[in-house]
Amino acid sequence: QKEVEQDPGPLSVPEGAIVSLNCTYSNSAFQYFMWYRQYSRKGPELLMYTYSSGNKEDGRFTAQVDKSSKYISLFIRDSQPSDSATYLCAMSAWTGNKLVFGAGTILRVKS
Amino acid sequence: SAVISQKPSRDICQRGTSLTIQCQVDSQVTMMFWYRQQPGQSLTLIATANQGSEATYESGFVIDKFPISRPNLTFSTLTVSNMSPEDSSIYLCSVVVADTQYFGPGTRLTVL
Repeated sequence: QKEVEQDPGPLSVPEGAIVSLNCTYSNSAFQYFMWYRQYSRKGPELLMYTYSSGNKEDGRFTAQVDKSSKYISLFIRDSQPSDSATYLCAMSAWTGNKLVFGAGTILRVKS
Repeated sequence: SAVISQKPSRDICQRGTSLTIQCQVDSQVTMMFWYRQQPGQSLTLIATANQGSEATYESGFVIDKFPISRPNLTFSTLTVSNMSPEDSSIYLCSVVVADTQYFGPGTRLTVL
């Protein structure tokens, strides 16, 4: 079993839809949770960074962490074609430490 | 944040040869990582490279195959040695700034 599980998709939605992306993990030591966006032929770009449980909102993006269930989510409101990318969840036990990544979910937003 | 550049951006190499990938950061950073992203897969950590100490390799990666240099706080190199087609991947360096990890654009390597 992988430490971090993420459905690779692809997930295809119409423009304006609310998108929900999820990851589960098995290591209870993880405390720092990140979502990266990766466009084709580019490096990952940090979207959201969350410590421990709770919600964090930034514009159209909301990150949720439920440590009791070992489950994290990223919600994208009013999705745009420019949101089409691969979304990678990542987590670590200590700040600034090596990251363990999920497989990445391919998102396609159709106009 | 940090601005990270990598050279080359892509290369096509012959089996049995070696390629050195450079990573340059616009600020001094202590922690630097090298990752591999194989086609259609997520990122896997190869090694951690801190200035002034030997690189620390993850399980499945060895120094003879992936030697790393870290001569100062803004620069590092990763060499992929004696390449085979299985080494065809994107290689990414990343740095930690203010407890957050940032990634370079990656080097796309194809081995024939």
